[in-house]
Amino acid sequence: GQQVMQIPQYQHVQEGEDFTTYCNSSTTLSNIQWYKQRPGGHPVFLIQLVKSGEVKKQKRLTFQFGEAKKNSSLHITATQTTDVGTYFCRAGTYKYIFGTGTRLKVLA
Amino acid sequence: DSGVTQTPKHLITATGQRVTLRCSPRSGDLSVYWYQQSLDQGLQFLIQYYNGEERAKGNILERFSAQQFPDLHSELNLSSLELGDSALYFCASSVGEGTVNTEAFFGQGTRLTVV
Repeated sequence: GQQVMQIPQYQHVQEGEDFTTYCNSSTTLSNIQWYKQRPGGHPVFLIQLVKSGEVKKQKRLTFQFGEAKKNSSLHITATQTTDVGTYFCRAGTYKYIFGTGTRLKVLA
Repeated sequence: DSGVTQTPKHLITATGQRVTLRCSPRSGDLSVYWYQQSLDQGLQFLIQYYNGEERAKGNILERFSAQQFPDLHSELNLSSLELGDSALYFCASSVGEGTVNTEAFFGQGTRLTVV
């Protein structure tokens, strides 16, 4: 069955440092979505990528979809304490499966 | 506020019991997804409904069942509860299914504690 792995599992960074999480699938994806879950909160939709090689930016966040549509990355430039949380990718066609998540801690 | 409403917010029950979790999707959304999140764990996909019909099943136990009603609200029934069923159960909704308009909006979750 489809599996979606994320690395790293945890990341601690100093405020101002960059952060990247990677999402890797065993199968070709039709699209990929990214979500952020703050501690004690619910997942919140960030963005969706559909096209091979697609790159999208939201302020300090850059999202990429691999050329083979099997992997994706989320890069945060100059992290802030408000970036704390767990970042998940979500992929599938009907059975939308979440990646294992990357928990980000930002040290002030 | 995502527009997705889940009730109750908290539920404490004993082993062997049965509970029903309720979800009202955002207005206009036809898809409903159920996810289970154990403490500090990821989000496990349970089941998806679209416009009243089951669309996809994940790792949903036989003791669990769900349905989506004509008014599009959904219920997740958990029976013969075990301690390991304690988790946060999220409902999410989206406009579409498949690959179109599937951005999911999540409710606040129901925290189930089995004692």
